[in-house]
Amino acid sequence: GAVVSQHPSWVICKSGTSVKIECRSLDFQATTMFWYRQFPKQSLMLMATSNEGSKATYEQGVEKDKFLINHASLTLSTLTVTSAHPEDSSFYICSARDRIHSNQPQHFGDGTRLSIL
Amino acid sequence: AQTVTQSQPEMSVQEAETVTLSCTYDTSENNYYLFWYKQPPSRQMILVIRQEAYKQQNATENRFSVNFQKAAKSFSLKISDSQLGDTAMYFCAFIDQTGANNLFFGTGTRLTVIP
Repeated sequence: GAVVSQHPSWVICKSGTSVKIECRSLDFQATTMFWYRQFPKQSLMLMATSNEGSKATYEQGVEKDKFLINHASLTLSTLTVTSAHPEDSSFYICSARDRIHSNQPQHFGDGTRLSIL
Repeated sequence: AQTVTQSQPEMSVQEAETVTLSCTYDTSENNYYLFWYKQPPSRQMILVIRQEAYKQQNATENRFSVNFQKAAKSFSLKISDSQLGDTAMYFCAFIDQTGANNLFFGTGTRLTVIP
């Protein structure tokens, strides 16, 4: 089945550091990838929609200068949390939609646990 | 706008028993897809079952089945013969027919299977 690899799975870093999270579709091409944030015991909150070769579309309340998204190829999207602070600590999950089988469910990565000290 | 509501924040069930998780949604569209996702403590998002709105027949996947009531905009998940490994958060989700837009998730139901 379709596989989405998300890396790293867990990162701990100091306040002020920028952290990059990668989301790769391993066996399919993804024109669209989605980035979610999940707080403990809550649902997934969509942060942005990333389309290959164009600017990401951010949800209301999400700072685009804080959360930089790049989708330079059909198999890779990256989320960079710039100048991270403790309040950015959270669980981040990406998902990808297959370009060819676009009506199929999105495929999720395993998530990244981000802890800012 | 589409909304998905899960009114049961937490539920528990005895091992081997049956449990039903509720989900209602609101949309003005006629064709769409509905999903149930499972999120165990590992926090992976695992697709449990999927229903296309144009299909009247309820989807089933082994011990998992749905009761899809389109007119009532209801999409409940039934888990039969509950197993300890079913303990997880369960999210109901909606997407339009093109799949072009993002998934709309409910707030989730935390299910605990009691040995």
